[in-house]
Amino acid sequence: KAGVTQTPRYLIKTRGQQVTLSCSPISGHRSVSWYQQTPGQGLQFLFEYFSETQRNKGNFPGRFSGRQFSNSRSEMNVSTLELGDSALYLCASSPGQPANQPQHFGDGTRLSIL
Amino acid sequence: LAKTTQPISMDSYEGQEVNITCSHNNIATNDYITWYQQFPSQGPRFIIQGYKTKVTNEVASLFIPADRKSSTLSLPRVSLSDTAVYYCLVGDRLNAGNMLTFGGGTRLMVKP
Repeated sequence: KAGVTQTPRYLIKTRGQQVTLSCSPISGHRSVSWYQQTPGQGLQFLFEYFSETQRNKGNFPGRFSGRQFSNSRSEMNVSTLELGDSALYLCASSPGQPANQPQHFGDGTRLSIL
Repeated sequence: LAKTTQPISMDSYEGQEVNITCSHNNIATNDYITWYQQFPSQGPRFIIQGYKTKVTNEVASLFIPADRKSSTLSLPRVSLSDTAVYYCLVGDRLNAGNMLTFGGGTRLMVKP
């Protein structure tokens, strides 16, 4: 079974631009979560989508948004990029129900803001 | 979500058993304990999950005392490839959904 796939693996942007990251979950998984990892703040939860609906949201500004499609694939968007948005963005999927199922992570998209 | 405390780093040698203890004094009745492993530039990988007593799988064991205020991840006979960061997470998965809260983790260094 293929794992969680994130594209692109690396991305370089400049301040003020916007970016869209993509995540394809494991086949059959309906829950997709996004995390931001930085050396200073560690791993922080961004949001979770289940059946195309946002089910949970972390403490991030409105510049961070996401969506999920009917095939469970998900995208996250960051607008008006800031230097502090440089991070590894991780996507994780799980069956979604019941909720106490381990999450499977992709290897992330490393976003660098110049 | 209960806060967790674990050592920042640990060193070991190949072939030894490694025990990483996590403290979670405020664990709630519905909370599960989950451990993840992360290598540089990769996403975290699920290792083991438990609620009470002992859980064992092909890669690790998880020991949880009766009061559940701590847990110990045991890695038998570690190798160099076990060098990674290990995260202990505690949370009510049934109500919090898939909103994982990661702490700082324990950086394990396995030496030859």
